[in-house]
Amino acid sequence: ETGVTQTPRHLVMGMTNKKSLKCEQHLGHNAMYWYKQSAKKPLELMFVYNFKEQTENNSVPSRFSPECPNSSHLFLHLHTLQPEDSALYLCASRGGSGANVLTFGAGSRLTVL
Amino acid sequence: AQKVTQAQTEISVVEKEDVTLDCVYETRDTTYYLFWYKQPPSGELVFLIRRNSFDEQNEISGRYSWNFQKSTSSFNFTITASQVVDSAVYFCALSEAFDGNKLVFGAGTILRVKS
Repeated sequence: ETGVTQTPRHLVMGMTNKKSLKCEQHLGHNAMYWYKQSAKKPLELMFVYNFKEQTENNSVPSRFSPECPNSSHLFLHLHTLQPEDSALYLCASRGGSGANVLTFGAGSRLTVL
Repeated sequence: AQKVTQAQTEISVVEKEDVTLDCVYETRDTTYYLFWYKQPPSGELVFLIRRNSFDEQNEISGRYSWNFQKSTSSFNFTITASQVVDSAVYFCALSEAFDGNKLVFGAGTILRVKS
């Protein structure tokens, strides 16, 4: 499989649930990102990992917990979310020679009830 | 601070019409990159073009063309002879040349092409 793959594509959860979003890339990239896309708002950068180390946390609430076990996988663990957290969560990766070009996955559509 | 403004929230055109999507940016950096991405209904953002701040040459790729004007801080995108498959959300973005982590997106323009 090529590109950036995100699972699940759709997720509905209650405010007390714990769930995780998964992102996988087979492009040999060293940087991975989580973005949040809410209706009528610009894409918001959440987290950045470079070589498995978190290098950016854009003041994201602690109910979102990222994990990057290796350069190919990125998770976003979710717990006690709020309805306003409902959004499309996009994962992206970037290679060292890609001159800042991000490759995006198709996103995980999250609905918090 | 960096900022990207896409003033057109939504544009509707009829197939075969030409359409221009506007993008205006703000940055204090002298070296930066500008991008356009397309987001079809499937969700993933598809990279279209990257332009660095030192290259003001316009670019054409098939029916797509881009007009970079540093004097007006604009990086507009024109689709010639639009097609229904061009219907998508289009995002303009800006990043520092030396920090690829800080990619700032505009709010996006929804393009609807009707047959």
